Amino acid sequence: DARVTQTPRHKVTEMGQEVTMRCQPILGHNTVFWYRQTMMQGLELLAYFRNRAPLDDSGMPKDRFSAEMPDATLATLKIQPSEPRDSAVYFCASGLGGNQPQHFGDGTRLSIL
Amino acid sequence: DQQVKQNSPSLSVQEGRISILNCDYTNSMFDYFLWYKKYPAEGPTFLISISSIKDKNEDGRFTVFLNKSAKHLSLHIVPSQPGDSAVYFCAASQIQGAQKLVFGQGTRLTINP
Repeated sequence: DARVTQTPRHKVTEMGQEVTMRCQPILGHNTVFWYRQTMMQGLELLAYFRNRAPLDDSGMPKDRFSAEMPDATLATLKIQPSEPRDSAVYFCASGLGGNQPQHFGDGTRLSIL
Repeated sequence: DQQVKQNSPSLSVQEGRISILNCDYTNSMFDYFLWYKKYPAEGPTFLISISSIKDKNEDGRFTVFLNKSAKHLSLHIVPSQPGDSAVYFCAASQIQGAQKLVFGQGTRLTINP
């Protein structure tokens, strides 16, 4: 079965450091989503792309978060500078749009000390 | 403002019996609903979906019911099996346009032998 691949699976770093999370969507999927899961907020959408173009990043703190798709096989989510409140599990998902379900990767568990 | 609510944080069911998970939503613009299942340290896995033109969708042991007037959906699992023990998330979106998923907080289902 095709899967969404996320790297790294775990990341521990100190406050102020830059963090980059990567996602390889399922081949052929034209929509890519970034979600964050925390105990308090649950699963919330941060940003998404269609055909590599950013459509909505209203869920992201703009001053420190950035999301890009350098090519169709790679999506990145960067945090600079990182803060302890950014500690969460970050999920990437991809899909075909419309009434097709999104498929999730296994996430990056991020801990900011 | 929680647009999708799962009011039961946890549910315990005997193996072989029916599991019923509930979800309520407030946004009448939602027209596509999904259930995801999540095991620890893994990403959510798509289970079943329903569009607003239907009131029932069935796939093997899983059936989703949609009551648009009550803005309520439910997932029935019958018979329940130990492998069904997981966290179940209800999600909603609009088919046209963004396909942004809004998730409920999840219900932890435990199937007892």
